[in-house]
Amino acid sequence: DQQVKQNSPSLSVQEGRISILNCDYTNSMFDYFLWYKKYPAEGPTFLISISSIKDKNEDGRFTVFLNKSAKHLSLHIVPSQPGDSAVYFCAASPMKLFGNEKLTFGTGTRLTIIP
Amino acid sequence: NAGVTQTPKFQVLKTGQSMTLQCAQDMNHEYMSWYRQDPGMGLRLIHYSVGAGITDQGEVPNGYNVSRSTTEDFPLRLLSAAPSQTSVYFCASSYSDRGTEAFFGQGTRLTVV
Repeated sequence: DQQVKQNSPSLSVQEGRISILNCDYTNSMFDYFLWYKKYPAEGPTFLISISSIKDKNEDGRFTVFLNKSAKHLSLHIVPSQPGDSAVYFCAASPMKLFGNEKLTFGTGTRLTIIP
Repeated sequence: NAGVTQTPKFQVLKTGQSMTLQCAQDMNHEYMSWYRQDPGMGLRLIHYSVGAGITDQGEVPNGYNVSRSTTEDFPLRLLSAAPSQTSVYFCASSYSDRGTEAFFGQGTRLTVV
């Protein structure tokens, strides 16, 4: 039972355009969400996060949107750059925790930026 | 500037062998976790620890043991390796603050033949 779903295994976007990666979750106990980026042969690196008390968080070219009623979040990258080519994982953390020691990950979306 | 260090980076085991995957962090993080990454499955939580002497099971704990005798180290033991444990293993650490991120090591690629 996949509690965090990334339904698009891959996405190709032209350089300079907007990349939109989507994530859905089913567990109402999740209240903190994170996006990680992963290059081949490396560990995931943190990109951006959002708490369930917000519906948007922005950091430079990256913006995460959260729609709690739809249990949906999305990551927008504008403008997309070749270095953004990587696998992106959506992750969720259940409420009543003090930290992020129990993350539930989606299956990932491979983003390819076309020069 | 070490962060989270995992050793070894690659390992091949025969079925039935045992081994320990090492994980060390130098950021004085209270929380540490082990994940495995398999194709089409994302990362799945094996075991985690919220402090020295405290460990708990994650989503896929069977076949693995952990201990946390110090804040810095969180080794993962495979008791009797099976081909189903062929995977890439990641260790992560974080503060006890949900507003902060979890840092990941570079991973250990394990093949069980």
